[in-house]
Amino acid sequence: EDKVVQSPLSLVVHEGDTVTLNCSYEVTNFRSLLWYKQEKKAPTFLFMLTSSGIEKKSGRLSSILDKKELFSILNITATQTGDSAVYLCAVVGLTGGGNKLTFGTGTQLKVEL
Amino acid sequence: GAVVSQHPSWVICKSGTSVKIECRSLDFQATTMFWYRQFPKQSLMLMATSNEGSKATYEQGVEKDKFLINHASLTLSTLTVTSAHPEDSSFYICSAGLAGDYYEQYFGPGTRLTVT
Repeated sequence: EDKVVQSPLSLVVHEGDTVTLNCSYEVTNFRSLLWYKQEKKAPTFLFMLTSSGIEKKSGRLSSILDKKELFSILNITATQTGDSAVYLCAVVGLTGGGNKLTFGTGTQLKVEL
Repeated sequence: GAVVSQHPSWVICKSGTSVKIECRSLDFQATTMFWYRQFPKQSLMLMATSNEGSKATYEQGVEKDKFLINHASLTLSTLTVTSAHPEDSSFYICSAGLAGDYYEQYFGPGTRLTVT
């Protein structure tokens, strides 16, 4: 059974801090790893990673994948209160029924002034 | 681009009644749509994969007769919770992938269902 584990489960930081969120996975026939940000409603897409060692960057957010060690990290620099959210990691694996997305439990991030 | 809408945003219904939730891709065609359920403080759990013009594929443990999914067109999928019970109260989210590109899924805003 495919499994995605995120850590930490939650953390509280001050504005301006840098945070690193972790995602490790076990999946059959790995296709890609996705990061989402979920505030009060549905998740919004952040990154899709398919290749090891290639950093994806968007503003203060960046992410990288290690397919050998089966994990990914999401970095947020100079955090702001608007970064407070649950960050979800999901892995796409290829099954007999097609592609399947498995989500981790998420990391709850709270950024305080 | 790639906007997915859901209707309604929230619904309260009595136990035993049925509720239909609509998921629409507004500016693209989605051959595949996905339905998720999320309980408080838990992650998204995939319920079923819905392909246009064919029967939905349900995940293990999800009752297909209780959660009826119809995907009649490339822009609309519906989830009907039949004979709803309080334990069905949850946040239901749909997502759609761009045709030919499964990996980027765009999520609808979700529907909060409360069964009293």
